[in-house]
Amino acid sequence: DIQMTQSPSTLSASVGDRVTFTCRASQSIGASLAWYQQKPGRAPKLLIYLASTLEDGVPSRFSGSGSGTEFTLTISSLQPDDFATYYCQQYNTFSTFGQGTKLEIK
Amino acid sequence: QVQLVESGGDLVKPGGSLRLSCAVSGFSFSDSYMSWIRQAPGKGLEWVSYISNSGNTVFYADSVKGRFTTSRDNAKKLLYLQMNNLRAEDSAVYYCARDPTFHSHWGQGTLVTVSS
Repeated sequence: DIQMTQSPSTLSASVGDRVTFTCRASQSIGASLAWYQQKPGRAPKLLIYLASTLEDGVPSRFSGSGSGTEFTLTISSLQPDDFATYYCQQYNTFSTFGQGTKLEIK
Repeated sequence: QVQLVESGGDLVKPGGSLRLSCAVSGFSFSDSYMSWIRQAPGKGLEWVSYISNSGNTVFYADSVKGRFTTSRDNAKKLLYLQMNNLRAEDSAVYYCARDPTFHSHWGQGTLVTVSS
């Protein structure tokens, strides 16, 4: 099974900051990686797929990069609506989610 | 617009059974692979199963294999998850989602609680 490890578990930041989340796969998954944002009591929202393709309607301050085993999600300038938990997901072999990174207000 | 609505979640005793449903609209259900994903309270997301558009091919996570069965009724636009021999660790919000890879459309989830 492919394991996905996200770091950090929690990230504290302020509005306007640039933040980066990291996701590592236990084996190469090519570019078969997605990122989601989830707020309490809500279903996850797709942000990025194919490692770097922005989903329709997602603000351009979100960007993704990486391939193989190392991936990043960057928010260029944090907005108040961005404080949430972020998950990566590999879909190269079935599907596995990372454990999530909670983005908190500093 | 695309809508997925899960139902059937409930409180059930260990060893019990439950069937979840997911009603869809706004896209071609019969052309779409579908997935079940769950999230235990306060925990992360876990893929459970996906089913091909015809229903002929189904895959399961090891944690539910042999106990859960995914099926679909394309005429009724319904996706099902039959859960047998439920365990405490199956307690979660269960989401249905479109596609077997990344998911642009999710339902709102239905809560399953397994407890005596």
